[in-house]
Amino acid sequence: EVQLVESGGGLVQPGGSLRLSCAASGFTFGSYWMTWVRQAPGKGLEWVANIKQEGSEKYYVDSVKGRFTISRDNAKNSLYLQMNSLRAEDTALYYCARVGTTVTRLEYWGQGTLVTVSS
Amino acid sequence: QSALTQPASVSGSPGQSITISCTETSSDVGSYNLVSWYQHHPGKAPKLVVYDVSKRPSGVPDRFSGSKSAYSASLTISGLQAEDEAIYYCCSYAGSSTVVFGGGTKLTVL
Repeated sequence: EVQLVESGGGLVQPGGSLRLSCAASGFTFGSYWMTWVRQAPGKGLEWVANIKQEGSEKYYVDSVKGRFTISRDNAKNSLYLQMNSLRAEDTALYYCARVGTTVTRLEYWGQGTLVTVSS
Repeated sequence: QSALTQPASVSGSPGQSITISCTETSSDVGSYNLVSWYQHHPGKAPKLVVYDVSKRPSGVPDRFSGSKSAYSASLTISGLQAEDEAIYYCCSYAGSSTVVFGGGTKLTVL
C-alpha cells in the first residue's frame, strides 16, 4: 500500500525557516517524480515544487523561487522541502504527492502538515 | 504563470448530471493535453479522479468523465450521489515541468 506521511510543520516567525519531510513507503520511491502542493486556509490548492527521480531537475512556483528548496534522499525514501525567509502568505497545509506518468497526474497524496507563519 | 478559471460553485440533485468547466487563460497551457481533476473532501487528502484529460484511475467510477476543447476542460459527473459533494480542482501542465491548479469548484448535492 502506498503511503506518504508528511512531518515538520509548525509555528514559525516571519523570516524564519522550516524543513518539511515526507516519508514514502509501499513503492519504489526513486522511480517517481515527487511534488509538494499547499493549501492556504480557506483557499484552493497551489502547486509548489516538483523534483525528478534522481533529483537532477527541480521546478518551483514563482512565489517560492529563491526561498524554498525541494530535495530527496532515495536511500531513505524521503522527500524534503526546505523553506527559508518564510512569509505570512506561506501559511498553509503542505501536501506531498507522488507524480504518475505525466506531471499533472498526482496519484497518491499524504495527509499534509500544517505550517503557520506568524509573530 | 498562467491561471485556470473554474466556477465557484455548482449544484445538482441526486441522479442528475453536472459539468464543471476549467478555462485556461494562457495559450501555452492550452496546447497541452495534460489536464487532471481532483476531488477534495475537507479534512482529507485530495483524490485524483481524472487524468490526461479523460482517463480514470483504477477504482474511480465511470460516472466521472473528462473532456477538453481548445482552452477549456470539463469534468462531468453523472448519476450524482451524496458522497460526490466536495470541492473539485482542475490541474493543467503550464510548461517547463510546472503545474497550475484552478481555483476550485464546490459541488453541492441538493
